[in-house]
Amino acid sequence: DIQMTQSPSSLSASVGDRVTITCRASQSISSYLNWYQQKPGKAPKVLIYAAYTLQSGVPSRFSGSGSGTDFTLTIASLQPEDFATYYCQQSHSTPLTFGGGTKVEIK
Amino acid sequence: DVQLLESGGGLVQPGGSLRLSCAASGFTFSTYAMNWVRQAPGKGLEWVSIISGSGDTTYYADSVKGRFTISRDNSKNTLYLQMNSLRAEDTAVYYCAKDRIGAAGIGSSLRNWGQGTLVTVSS
Repeated sequence: DIQMTQSPSSLSASVGDRVTITCRASQSISSYLNWYQQKPGKAPKVLIYAAYTLQSGVPSRFSGSGSGTDFTLTIASLQPEDFATYYCQQSHSTPLTFGGGTKVEIK
Repeated sequence: DVQLLESGGGLVQPGGSLRLSCAASGFTFSTYAMNWVRQAPGKGLEWVSIISGSGDTTYYADSVKGRFTISRDNSKNTLYLQMNSLRAEDTAVYYCAKDRIGAAGIGSSLRNWGQGTLVTVSS
């Protein structure tokens, strides 16, 4: 099974900050990497699929990059509504696996 | 608009069984793969299972293989998860999620999610 490791597990940031979250796969997954955002008590929402393709309706301050084993989610200028937990997920092979999550908190 | 409505959760004893349902609307159900994802209280997301749009291909997480069965009825626009031999560690909110594509597995992306249904396994 492919293991997905996110870092950091949590971070504190201020509105307007540039935030970067990394995700590493235990083996190459090409560009089969998705990013999700989850707010407390709510279902997750897809932000980016296939490593860098922005899901329709998602603000352009979100971007994804990477291929192979190392991936990054960047929030260019953190907004109040972006405080949430973010998960990466690989879809290169089954079982599909999620990273452990990164909680973005208000500084 | 895509709508996914899970039902069937509840309290069950260890070793018991439960069947979850997910009623779908707002899209051509048979065209898309469907997934189950769970989240234990205070924990992260865990992918559980996927079924192709036609229903002929299924995959499972190792943690549920042999105990859970995913199925779908395309005539009723409904996804199911039959859960047998339940354990305390199966306690979680279970979400159904519509995929981006019709095939099961590679290239999957969970585009739309239901609100979830809570399964509690306890004596």
